[in-house]
Amino acid sequence: EAQVTQNPRYLITVTGKKLTVTCSQNMNHEYMSWYRQDPGLGLRQIYYSMNVEVTDKGDVPEGYKVSRKEKRNFPLILESPSPNQTSLYFCASSLVGGAIYGYTFGSGTRLTVV
Amino acid sequence: GENVEQHPSTLSVQEGDSAVIKCTYSDSASNYFPWYKQELGKRPQLIIDIRSNVGEKKDQRIAVTLNKTAKHFSLHITETQPEDSAVYFCAPEGGNNDMRFGAGTRLTVKP
Repeated sequence: EAQVTQNPRYLITVTGKKLTVTCSQNMNHEYMSWYRQDPGLGLRQIYYSMNVEVTDKGDVPEGYKVSRKEKRNFPLILESPSPNQTSLYFCASSLVGGAIYGYTFGSGTRLTVV
Repeated sequence: GENVEQHPSTLSVQEGDSAVIKCTYSDSASNYFPWYKQELGKRPQLIIDIRSNVGEKKDQRIAVTLNKTAKHFSLHITETQPEDSAVYFCAPEGGNNDMRFGAGTRLTVKP
């Protein structure tokens, strides 16, 4: 089944403790992206990747890192999480970049930083 | 960057009625206009999209219309059912190799 897989689905952590949210897609998509969703603010892009070894900042990149060493994986890294990063996170992929095809989203990761 | 506005922010209709959600955008170079549906606690899912060389596209009870001159496109849902209740997002192509999501419209269909 074609899908985007995110792990974990739920995570509670403490301020400052490094964490990684994994994202993997099995559709051979070139484009991958991370979003955070907060009430009243919709979906805001954190980082995106047009292809392997190519990443770029979105609208809200502060406090996050990403890497794209393989086509299928695009992990989101929080080096020192803070409470304002408590949010619902979605990974998404698309056949190619350039916003010419729709996105397939992962199931989401609900992160709470205390 | 692309400015995207959706209206209304909430919409309540009776089952069987029609619902229309409008999305306005600012980038005249946009060429791709999708709508996503997000049910409570679930991921957004693409439900319909349209490209700038087409004015209208229909898929069973849902349709999207595009007015490039006025820079807006709309989602139309006919014969609404309770399972249509969700948050709907427009996401016009916003340049910079990405889409910009609207703030969402919460649709409630009352049985």
